[in-house]
Amino acid sequence: DQQVKQNSPSLSVQEGRISILNCDYTNSMFDYFLWYKKYPAEGPTFLISISSIKDKNEDGRFTVFLNKSAKHLSLHIVPSQPGDSAVYFCAASVGGYQKVTFGIGTKLQVIP
Amino acid sequence: NAGVTQTPKFRILKIGQSMTLQCTQDMNHNYMYWYRQDPGMGLKLIYYSVGAGITDKGEVPNGYNVSRSTTEDFPLRLELAAPSQTSVYFCVSKSTAGAYGYTFGSGTRLTVV
Repeated sequence: DQQVKQNSPSLSVQEGRISILNCDYTNSMFDYFLWYKKYPAEGPTFLISISSIKDKNEDGRFTVFLNKSAKHLSLHIVPSQPGDSAVYFCAASVGGYQKVTFGIGTKLQVIP
Repeated sequence: NAGVTQTPKFRILKIGQSMTLQCTQDMNHNYMYWYRQDPGMGLKLIYYSVGAGITDKGEVPNGYNVSRSTTEDFPLRLELAAPSQTSVYFCVSKSTAGAYGYTFGSGTRLTVV
């Protein structure tokens, strides 16, 4: 039972355009959500997070949107840059202090 | 500041061999975790620890053992390696205080043949 789902295994976007990565979750107890970015041969690194008390969190070119009623979150990258090419993992936890459940990742390719 | 250090980076094991994946962190984090990532799959939690002397099973603990004798170290032991344990293993740490995400090690790529 996959509690965090990333249904698009890959995404290609032109440089300068918007990248939108989607994530759905099934566990209504999740109240803290995170995005991680992973380059080949490296461990994932934390990118941005959002608590369920918010519906939007922004950090530079990265914005995460949370729709609790739809159990859906998305990561927007504007403008996309070639260095953003990586695998992006969506993750969720209960309370922010507990162990985190990860999605399978979406591979983003930004084409120059 | 090294963060989370995993060794080795790569290893090939024969079926039935044993090995220990080492993990150490220098951030004084209480929480530590071991995940594995299989191709096309998400990260699966193997074992975790909320502090020295305390460990607990995650989603996929079978075939593995851990110990946490110090805050810094959280080794993962494979006793009888099987091909199903071919994977990339990530050690992770997190501060108790923060509701932020994890700090990952760079991973150990293990192949069992």
